[in-house]
Formats: sequence, C-alpha cells, structure tokens
Amino acid sequence: QKEVEQDPGPLSVPEGAIVSLNCTYSNSAFQYFMWYRQYSRKGPELLMYTYSSGNKEDGRFTAQVDKSSKYISLFIRDSQPSDSATYLCAMFKAAGNKLTFGGGTRVLVKP
Amino acid sequence: DTAVSQTPKYLVTQMGNDKSIKCEQNLGHDTMYWYKQDSKKFLKIMFSYNNKELIINETVPNRFSPKSPDKAHLNLHINSLELGDSAVYFCASSPTKRVSLGEQFFGPGTRLTVL
Repeated sequence: QKEVEQDPGPLSVPEGAIVSLNCTYSNSAFQYFMWYRQYSRKGPELLMYTYSSGNKEDGRFTAQVDKSSKYISLFIRDSQPSDSATYLCAMFKAAGNKLTFGGGTRVLVKP
Repeated sequence: DTAVSQTPKYLVTQMGNDKSIKCEQNLGHDTMYWYKQDSKKFLKIMFSYNNKELIINETVPNRFSPKSPDKAHLNLHINSLELGDSAVYFCASSPTKRVSLGEQFFGPGTRLTVL
C-alpha cells in the first residue's frame, strides 16, 4: 500500500463547477501538506501549502486538512478550462527533507 | 528567465546505452533534486544534493549516478539503460534542505524513452 493515495481520475467537470480533489495518507508523521498543479508536459508548480488541520483559502482555491482522518482536500471554485491539469498532493514530516507525492488526479474542465 | 532548466527535453535511446541529463538552476538555491515520474504520473524522489553533498539517496539502481559539480548544477548519468527506465525525469531545487522552509521549483522535465 502506498503511503499517499490519490484517485487518478480523470475528473471531468463543466466550466464554473466546483472541483473537489482529495488524498488519503497512512503515516501520521506527515505534518505538512502541499498541492501542486502540473500542466501537460510541464513540471509541477506549487498551489497551496498547509500545516494545521482546517481550511486555507487562496483565491478560488481552498485546501482542507483533517489530520484525525488522514485526509486532505483541494477545492477549486468557479473552475475554468485553464484549470485543466493534473493535481498532485504532497506531504512531508516535521523537520523532514523530502516530499512524498500522491499519484495525481487529472482534471478536465469543459467549456 | 528560466529558473530550473534541463537538457535535453526529449531523449530516445536504445537499451544498454549510457546517457546523461543535465540540470541547472539560477535561483541561488542550496538544494537540488532528481525525481522520476512514471506513466501513471507517480512522482518519486530519487536523489537530493545540498551544497554538493548527497543527502537523499532513495532505493534506486546503482546504474543511476548523480553528480553535482557545484550547487547550481545537478546531473544524472544512467548506465546500461533498460526499458523500465522510460519515464519523465524532473529536476527541482529549493532554498534549503528543510522542506518546510521553502518551496521546491521544478524544471520542465526530460522525457526518456528506451527502445
């Protein structure tokens, strides 16, 4: 079993819909959580970075962490075709020096 | 201005060959990484160097050898290429080796195809 699980999708939504993505993890030592966006044939780029349980908002993006359930989520409001990409969750342990990634969820926002 | 660059972008080669991928960052970062992303998009760390010193060395065949001539460069040499080495290889850099203190910036990737 992988340490971080993520549904590969694809997740297809109409423009303007809310996109809901999530990851589960098994190692309670993970303390910090990130979401990366990766466009086709490009490198991943950081979207959100959270530490504590709860919500963090940045524009149309909201990251949610539930450490008791070992579950993290990313919501994209008012989705646009330009949001079509693969979204990777990543996490690391306190004082850690490496990221552990989920397998990514491919999202397609249709105009 | 490109922050993390990799060459080549595409690499097609025969089984058994030896090849190198180069990475350079102009961000002044201390730490650089090599990741492998397989066909299912699973991104896995291979190596990390901090100020030219190897700090992460995951379970990777010893056919893979990283080299860091200076802290702005991290190259990856692969001997005796195998079909299973086909993947996209990403270089990344971050300000420090402590992940909590800085974002990792990724290069555009090198798509390696072994025939």
